[in-house]
Amino acid sequence: EAGVAQSPRYKIIEKRQSVAFWCNPISGHATLYWYQQILGQGPKLLIQFQNNGVVDDSQLPKDRFSAERLKGVDSTLKIQPAKLEDSAVYLCASSLNGVAQSSPLHFGNGTRLTVT
Amino acid sequence: ILNVEQSPQSLHVQEGDSTNFTCSFPSSNFYALHWYRWETAKSPEALFVMTLNGDEKKKGRISATLNTKEGYSYLYIKGSQPEDSATYLCAFLKDDYKLSFGAGTTVTVRA
Repeated sequence: EAGVAQSPRYKIIEKRQSVAFWCNPISGHATLYWYQQILGQGPKLLIQFQNNGVVDDSQLPKDRFSAERLKGVDSTLKIQPAKLEDSAVYLCASSLNGVAQSSPLHFGNGTRLTVT
Repeated sequence: ILNVEQSPQSLHVQEGDSTNFTCSFPSSNFYALHWYRWETAKSPEALFVMTLNGDEKKKGRISATLNTKEGYSYLYIKGSQPEDSATYLCAFLKDDYKLSFGAGTTVTVRA
């Protein structure tokens, strides 16, 4: 099966600029996650979708971050405006049934964002 | 333990040697424990999902054990090879279905 596709792989922007990341999950996977991994820390969940509905966005900084999953398939994550502390790897993951059913996460290669 | 902790943060092992490292997590409200391997320039790959106290899982030369009563899991690599060089992440799933990741143990296998 094709894996989780993410783009771009790398992005360098200046603070206060905007950036968007794209993710296409594995076909048939209902649950999609966006994680932020800052260097030296574990991945932190930003938002979780079940089909096209939001399940958990409690740790998403909503004043600057937004995400959508139209039609319950691919998803975009946007940061506007970016801050220096947003420099991180942004990982998209999908799972067949969600972690509550003991399904593992399938990750994309991630986008490494550098904000200068 | 309030959060997921992994130790050591990094380790170096000689090719052919075996090694192990720890994931500690809160012992209450346990639902599952995940292990992932993340090689440089690749995507994190699921190794194990463990749910039962005393669980032991194996995948090739890698195995894991789980103790939910005391809140820890060990990951073992037998006969380390250069391709085992990676960051190994554990993630604790509470019964509210929120997955919390540790910061990882980075393993470097020296030839």
